[in-house]
Amino acid sequence: DAKTTQPPSMDCAEGRAANLPCNHSTISGNEYVYWYRQIHSQGPQYIIHGLKNNETNEMASLIITEDRKSSTLILPHATLRDTAVYYCIVRPGDQTGANNLFFGTGTRLTVIP
Amino acid sequence: EPEVTQTPSHQVTQMGQEVILRCVPISNHLYFYWYRQILGQKVEFLVSFYNNEISEKSEIFDDQFSVERPDGSNFTLKIRSTKLEDSAMYFCASSERLAVLQETQYFGPGTRLLVL
Repeated sequence: DAKTTQPPSMDCAEGRAANLPCNHSTISGNEYVYWYRQIHSQGPQYIIHGLKNNETNEMASLIITEDRKSSTLILPHATLRDTAVYYCIVRPGDQTGANNLFFGTGTRLTVIP
Repeated sequence: EPEVTQTPSHQVTQMGQEVILRCVPISNHLYFYWYRQILGQKVEFLVSFYNNEISEKSEIFDDQFSVERPDGSNFTLKIRSTKLEDSAMYFCASSERLAVLQETQYFGPGTRLLVL
């Protein structure tokens, strides 16, 4: 089962920053936090990942709290094309299940014109 | 930008028939995966494949399922005798796995399978 908790839905005005929270209070020290999104039944799309430091790429920023128990994905200027389900995933730390990604129910982000 | 491709995009079959779903992973990737998503439900892991053998599989991946890398570029998922409950989107993914716990999987667009 997914080790993360996310709000089921959020709205964001077009052009504003979208801040998507994720709780992962049982995360282990060597487990990475990954974010994917799925736009209407398309294949999940990789966004960003991190271990303990904040990360930024061309798509988004990832802010991980110092205790690593939660993180926030930031889309700095949301567009209508960012409307999707966003998944926060913690990779299992032991060898069993280390390969696969556990997708929860994610947060359905709706960007409003 | 390299991407994972899947064929066909849609497949309709009769219950009990065999289907083969095809995937072309990103060319330098060595780790391959199949996931499925029943309509309205979560994305679920089926199987991972490395070095020409299954490295892990879920409870869903029973004897009716098999995977193969027949020619060094394609990666296939075969369902031997389809059931109604196999109707789903099937996603292929691949990765190069820089380290065991730091691995980015890239997904294809999926094949929508409908079993009648």
